[in-house]
Amino acid sequence: SQKIEQNSEALNIQEGKTATLTCNYTNYSPAYLQWYRQDPGRGPVFLLLIRENEKEKRKERLKVTFDTTLKQSLFHITASQPADSATYLCALNTGTASKLTFGTGTRLQVTL
Amino acid sequence: DTEVTQTPKHLVMGMTNKKSLKCEQHMGHRAMYWYKQKAKKPPELMFVYSYEKLSINESVPSRFSPECPNSSLLNLHLHALQPEDSALYLCASSSSGTSNDNEQFFGPGTRLTVL
Repeated sequence: SQKIEQNSEALNIQEGKTATLTCNYTNYSPAYLQWYRQDPGRGPVFLLLIRENEKEKRKERLKVTFDTTLKQSLFHITASQPADSATYLCALNTGTASKLTFGTGTRLQVTL
Repeated sequence: DTEVTQTPKHLVMGMTNKKSLKCEQHMGHRAMYWYKQKAKKPPELMFVYSYEKLSINESVPSRFSPECPNSSLLNLHLHALQPEDSALYLCASSSSGTSNDNEQFFGPGTRLTVL
């Protein structure tokens, strides 16, 4: 069966540390992978997109890697802040153009 | 304007009611989406409209009926819903319905409760 799993339902880290979130998928061959942030009661907000021929993408304190052999993406937030606390979702294109399937999500809590 | 708006924010309806959810974007996007999200779960795709035509229906029950009157508007008509249909309904848009690397812009959602 096809799955997109994010390794932790919840992740607690201390302010200033690097948060690393994992997205693993099986039985897909996505051309790209996206990461979104979702705050409670709100819609997801796009953060980064990485294509299958890209190994790494950076945006400010965010870094994403994409390993199509391992079928895995890692999402890093460096120098984490309490304001980074949210649920983070990976999403893959899984079929026809524009169809996104979301991973299970990781709820990140950054404490002082 | 980089915003997707949704109305209403909250909706409570009985199983015999007919109601509609509305979504609007003014970014010139040509693809629009409906997602359903249950508590502590990821969004699940329901429908995709590309250039005002329905391009994807993820086997959604017929009690949900989408409509795209024009490129800026997306409606979801609800009829004879069940309590298990209670969820957050999210609308999204992206610039192209045919390219496969577009970010999606989401609205704040409509919190639907079916009694």
